[in-house]
Amino acid sequence: GEDVEQSLFLSVREGDSSVINCTYTDSSSTYLYWYKQEPGAGLQLLTYIFSNMDMKQDQRLTVLLNKKDKHLSLRIADTQTGDSAIYFCAESTHGGSQGNLIFGKGTKLSVKP
Amino acid sequence: DTGVSQNPRHKITKRGQNVTFRCDPISEHNRLYWYRQTLGQGPEFLTYFQNEAQLEKSRLLSDRFSAERPKGSFSTLEIQRTEQGDSAMYLCASSSSDRGSWGTEAFFGQGTRLTVV
Repeated sequence: GEDVEQSLFLSVREGDSSVINCTYTDSSSTYLYWYKQEPGAGLQLLTYIFSNMDMKQDQRLTVLLNKKDKHLSLRIADTQTGDSAIYFCAESTHGGSQGNLIFGKGTKLSVKP
Repeated sequence: DTGVSQNPRHKITKRGQNVTFRCDPISEHNRLYWYRQTLGQGPEFLTYFQNEAQLEKSRLLSDRFSAERPKGSFSTLEIQRTEQGDSAMYLCASSSSDRGSWGTEAFFGQGTRLTVV
């Protein structure tokens, strides 16, 4: 069945880079997403990547996709305390409609000053 | 527009009671989604509307759950005969299909936290 796996915790120092990893099982995934959830808040879409891309960069965020290994990563450069949150990896096989996203359990990022 | 709005933010109910949640999507969005999130887990898809039509339902949506979007605007999610296992955060999201068939961002509301005692 479809499954998305993430490590549960990551701790970094302010100013360092953070790398959050994700693996997925559905080879027919067309889009892969990274969401951020802060305490008491809804989910915020950070970035997404189409399955025929290897890399996408957006300011401090870099997404790398290894489709052969079904591995997705999110790198946050110059991590700030405001980046502390839970980061969810998600996959979609329904084109970009986001009608049915499969989420991982989330990685809690703690940024120490 | 202030984004996706969900009411109530919190609901405590006794087991066996019925509850209803409301979601008001971003006004120009024709797509609306319901997800459920339990503690320590990622959100799980429940159902999806395009305009007033319910196009997809998860196996998680048991017979006790019903969702409606009668006029293609706001949506309600009702849970009948609540059980303790229904305790979770219920998230609503909306998006527009007008931006094409790919990469369409779904905006999430802050959710309704349900506690069944």
